[in-house]
Amino acid sequence: AQKVTQAQTEISVVEKEDVTLDCVYETRDTTYYLFWYKQPPSGELVFLIRRNSFDEQNEISGRYSWNFQKSTSSFNFTITASQVVDSAVYFCALSSYTGANSKLTFGKGITLSVRP
Amino acid sequence: EPEVTQTPSHQVTQMGQEVILRCVPISNHLYFYWYRQILGQKVEFLVSFYNNEISEKSEIFDDQFSVERPDGSNFTLKIRSTKLEDSAMYFCASSEGAGPAMGETQYFGPGTRLLVL
Repeated sequence: AQKVTQAQTEISVVEKEDVTLDCVYETRDTTYYLFWYKQPPSGELVFLIRRNSFDEQNEISGRYSWNFQKSTSSFNFTITASQVVDSAVYFCALSSYTGANSKLTFGKGITLSVRP
Repeated sequence: EPEVTQTPSHQVTQMGQEVILRCVPISNHLYFYWYRQILGQKVEFLVSFYNNEISEKSEIFDDQFSVERPDGSNFTLKIRSTKLEDSAMYFCASSEGAGPAMGETQYFGPGTRLLVL
């Protein structure tokens, strides 16, 4: 069975600090995909990134970066120089390549508060 | 940029009433999904839909729930007889290709917040 663990529940930082959100996953599949979504206070789910299990290259997009380590089954997300607008709940999610399985399994989410 | 839309944004209903939540997926997408999020909890999969039929459903998606694509643009979730525990945010999502199992990204709508009294 798929499982995503986001052990941190709430993180509070001061603006301009860097912050890392942890995600650990479990799957028996050899091919799978990992995602991060952002849920701002308005409630919608905003797609941030998708990474497949064969691509362990880290990715950077502006202030955001992701570190995928298959050896530790982790897919961590770092926000550099955080801003107040980064305040949101961040969800890590997992899907697997089975053909019949077309669902996302989400972690419980991490509430990030960035104070001015 | 194309987006998934959902109506209504909020709905309040009495226990036992039927509700229909509506979604308009992104126009060239072929796979559709419903998820729910009970307040303060994680997002949970309900059902996936492709080619006018359910491709997978969770244990939450019991006989009280049904989905339909009544025309070429809408995708609906019906709860036949609502219970208090159905109170949640319901998200519709769509993906272009074969769903996340093939690595396609699911794009989510803004959600419908359902409150059952």
